[in-house]
This record gives sequence, C-alpha cells and structure tokens, in this order.
Amino acid sequence: NAGVTQTPKFQVLKTGQSMTLQCAQDMNHNSMYWYRQDPGMGLRLIYYSASEGTTDKGEVPNGYNVSRLNKREFSLRLESAAPSQTSVYFCASYRRAVEGQPQHFGDGTRLSIL
Amino acid sequence: EDKVVQSPLSLVVHEGDTVTLNCSYEVTNFRSLLWYKQEKKAPTFLFMLTSSGIEKKSGRLSSILDKKELFSILNITATQTGDSAIYLCAVRTGNFGNEKLTFGTGTRLTIIP
Repeated sequence: NAGVTQTPKFQVLKTGQSMTLQCAQDMNHNSMYWYRQDPGMGLRLIYYSASEGTTDKGEVPNGYNVSRLNKREFSLRLESAAPSQTSVYFCASYRRAVEGQPQHFGDGTRLSIL
Repeated sequence: EDKVVQSPLSLVVHEGDTVTLNCSYEVTNFRSLLWYKQEKKAPTFLFMLTSSGIEKKSGRLSSILDKKELFSILNITATQTGDSAIYLCAVRTGNFGNEKLTFGTGTRLTIIP
C-alpha cells in the first residue's frame, strides 16, 4: 500500500521561481492537508481540503496556492518562491467519515530556496 | 487562536530510564488529541485520546488525557535507543467534516546507550 505519496522528495529553487508540489493518496480519504515544518516550529498548517472541491486557509497560507484536483490529489503551488519558504513540506490525509482515525502523512518534500 | 504547547523541548536520558512528555492546549471546539513519533521522515501515529482519564497503552508507551486541566502526558518506560525521535502532540478541532490539527513544537528525545 502506497498511502500518501509526495513528489518530488527534494528540490532546490532560485528566488522568484515557481514550483508545484504534488500529493496523492490511495486510501479513499476525504480530507487532505499541507503542512510545513521548520526547526523548532513543529508542523504548521498551510491549506487544507475537507472534501473534493473545497479548500481552506490554515495558519500560514501567504505565498501559497492549492488545488484539490480530485479526491486523490492535492497540490501545493509556490508562485514566486522566497527564501522564507525553505522548509520541509508534508502532505497528510484523513478519513473524516470514521471518528477515531489519525491523519496519515507522506514522507515530505525538502525544499530549499536560494 | 488555537495553541498547543509541549514540554520539555528537548530531553536526554539514559537507556532504561522512564520519561514523561507533556502537552497542554488551549483550543476552540476540541475533538481529540493525538501523539505522533517522528524519526527521519513522516510522523507516525501513536495514540488518539478523546476521553479524560482513560489510559491508552501500547507496549512501553502510554498516554492519558485530562480535559478539565487541558493537558496530556506521554510516558515511555524502559527507554531504548530506538525511542530517540521527536514526539509531536496535536489537537484536532473543528466541526465534523471540517476538522484540522494544530501541532505543538515537539519534544526531541535522545536516548544514550
């Protein structure tokens, strides 16, 4: 079982370049999430999608856009990358129809902006 | 604004010791509290707690929630080097169908052989 798959695993960008991080889950989950993790900051929610066709801002949405392409896929786009967006990005999914289920995480994308 | 605070931020102990990690929270519309272990990559799920006073246990790890005092603890007994990791506490909030997690900063646990 693949679970939550993120691509790419690593990426280096120059300031001002654009980039889309891809996330796909094969668990038929309704909700999907994008987080960033910085040293000493824990995971902070960027955007989430409670169901196909809906997206909502999280704690740190500035500089990002998202697309819930279908039930499986949720992408995160940086339109004009900035050094402050250097981070590890995690995608997660959750089956909200069943209480007591945890979020499942992908392995992360390590992004460096020069 | 929802807030989750973990303590200590970092802990170094010897193999065989027992450790207690703390998580306090101030949130709106609490649904559950979750503990994750993070080694090199993705956080992996440990426990989900929804009711006060009921201990969840898995091997040497256990956790309990106090909804009156708004905190949870994660205990690890007879620690091993494989327990070295960042332990993350998260609180699920929101109405059913629109939930989200707010994470604490994590506790970095290091076990010395």
